[in-house]
Amino acid sequence: GEEVAQTPKHLVRGEGQKAKLYCAPIKGHSYVFWYQQVLKNEFKFLISFQNENVFDETGMPKERFSAKCLPNSPCSLEIQATKLEDSAVYFCASSQWRSPLHFGNGTRLTVT
Amino acid sequence: SQQGEEDPQALSIQEGENATMNCSYKTSINNLQWYRQNSGRGLVHLILIRSNEREKHSGRLRVTLDTSKKSSSLLITASRAADTASYFCATDSMKTSYDKVIFGPGTSLSVIP
Repeated sequence: GEEVAQTPKHLVRGEGQKAKLYCAPIKGHSYVFWYQQVLKNEFKFLISFQNENVFDETGMPKERFSAKCLPNSPCSLEIQATKLEDSAVYFCASSQWRSPLHFGNGTRLTVT
Repeated sequence: SQQGEEDPQALSIQEGENATMNCSYKTSINNLQWYRQNSGRGLVHLILIRSNEREKHSGRLRVTLDTSKKSSSLLITASRAADTASYFCATDSMKTSYDKVIFGPGTSLSVIP
């Protein structure tokens, strides 16, 4: 598609539950990035992929966060045992090599 | 540490005035980009300037890049109420192979009709 599609738009989880977010990048884009935005503030880099390979995961809290980009499937970001501080909007973006990022509209995760 | 940082954090101007936002970064870059975020939406790309460019225009937008000072500015001329949004700069480091695009904290612009 011509847009980055993120699902669901909203997700509510009780503390300790699992959350899984999905992102369908633009067809033909080799790079996928995940960002976390808390309270409309800065975009915290989480992880990047080149096709299905993890490119950089230095932003990921690895003990609870994991992500995948498998062929012919949407990319996913999974949070095991969510915490209150995980409440944020999670944005996915895709791009070609060193080109502008195209963002989805985000998934708003609320942990109660 | 933050690769890009904007100032001011917030800016309020009258419609028709010009708005200038600045961005500073810390390491050598390949390119610098400016994005806009309207409330509740994802970022929209505005303009990309490469490290070997000094100035770029797009409509009412003008971006400058000073690699010696590691800084960039975004000028919006003849502002409109519809320009009200948050503006972010983003950089990708020359030291990495495009594995990480880092955003600054953003400038919140309010254009008063």
